[in-house]
Parts: sequence; C-alpha cells; structure tokens
Amino acid sequence: GEDVEQSLFLSVREGDSSVINCTYTDSSSTYLYWYKQEPGAGLQLLTYIFSNMDMKQDQRLTVLLNKKDKHLSLRIADTQTGDSAIYFCADSDTGRRALTFGSGTRLQVQP
Amino acid sequence: DTAVSQTPKYLVTQMGNDKSIKCEQNLGHDTMYWYKQDSKKFLKIMFSYNNKELIINETVPNRFSPKSPDKAHLNLHINSLELGDSAVYFCASTGPHHEQFFGPGTRLTVL
Repeated sequence: GEDVEQSLFLSVREGDSSVINCTYTDSSSTYLYWYKQEPGAGLQLLTYIFSNMDMKQDQRLTVLLNKKDKHLSLRIADTQTGDSAIYFCADSDTGRRALTFGSGTRLQVQP
Repeated sequence: DTAVSQTPKYLVTQMGNDKSIKCEQNLGHDTMYWYKQDSKKFLKIMFSYNNKELIINETVPNRFSPKSPDKAHLNLHINSLELGDSAVYFCASTGPHHEQFFGPGTRLTVL
C-alpha cells in the first residue's frame, strides 16, 4: 500500500532555516500537503502543492517537490520558537479521497 | 465561525461502555472523515462519507459505527470500549483541492 515517511526529529536555533523532508511511494498522488500540530491541538493545514508543480512559496514557507524521486520538503525561513510543533506530510489518494500521513517530524526550536 | 467542530473534547470512560463523538462542519463540504491518532502521533483513516454515503471503511473493528444524518454531520459511535481504543479521534472534511480541514480532536481515555 501507500507509504509516507519522515524523519522523526529536527532541532534548530531560532532564526535559522528548518528543512523537513518527506518521501512517498504513491506515484498517482495528485496533491501533497503539510500540516502542523501543536501540543494538544488539532491539525492545521499549512500549505499544499499540486503534483505538476515543483515549488510553491508562501511567506516563510517553501515547498519543494521532486516527483521523480517522490521527495517533498518544507523549508521554514527564519524559524521562530512558535514554529515548534509536529509537522506532518501527507499525500492524497484521489480515488479514495483519503490522506495518507507520515509519522510526523517533531521540530524543536531553541532560543 | 466556519470550521469543523467536535464534541466532546475529552472523554473518559470505563471499559465496556458505549460512547459517541459528534462532528459538524459548516464549510459546505460533501466529504467527511474520521481519523485515529495513537499515542505515537500516527494518524490513520478510519471512515469516510460522501454526501451521507459510506465510501471508505478501513480495517476497523465493527464496534465502531459511523453515522451521517446529513452531509454536514458525521458521528462516531463506539460499542464495548476497550483499553486499546484510547486515542485522539479527529474529524475532517474535504475542500476543493482535496485538502482536509480537521476538527480540534476528541481525546478518548478508556480506563
């Protein structure tokens, strides 16, 4: 079946850039997503990218998609302590219209 | 506010009890979902309804029964609760780019 994988943990210093990586196996994914989950909270949609794009920028967030390698990344510029959270990558199965999530990357921002 | 809402936010109950979680979305979306997030933060699809019709039913014990009285509501009823049912349950609905908007979650603890 489909699989989405992420590294579990990333620690950066405030003001640095963070890069969170994700790989997926489903070559028919139409959209790929990044969600943020703060402690005790729900999932907040940060951004998404259509599979025929290779880059999308939204303020401090840059998403890069390498469809050949099935690799997705999220770059957060000027990382702040408020960015500390778990970040989930997900892809969509357009047939079932359900999301398959990675295991989440816990981002820790040190002051 | 336009959103996906769930009640209750916390649910603590004894093994063997029957409980329900309610979900409502006022985003006008046709498709709604239930996801389960375990203690390791792993998220997995349980059910999906499109316009009151069940379209996804993953390998979930039949003690779990979703009910959709109309396209804005998707409730989850759980019979004979077990310790392993303890998790956070998220409701979601789908927007035009297949992006999913999540409710705040219901933390279920079975004692």
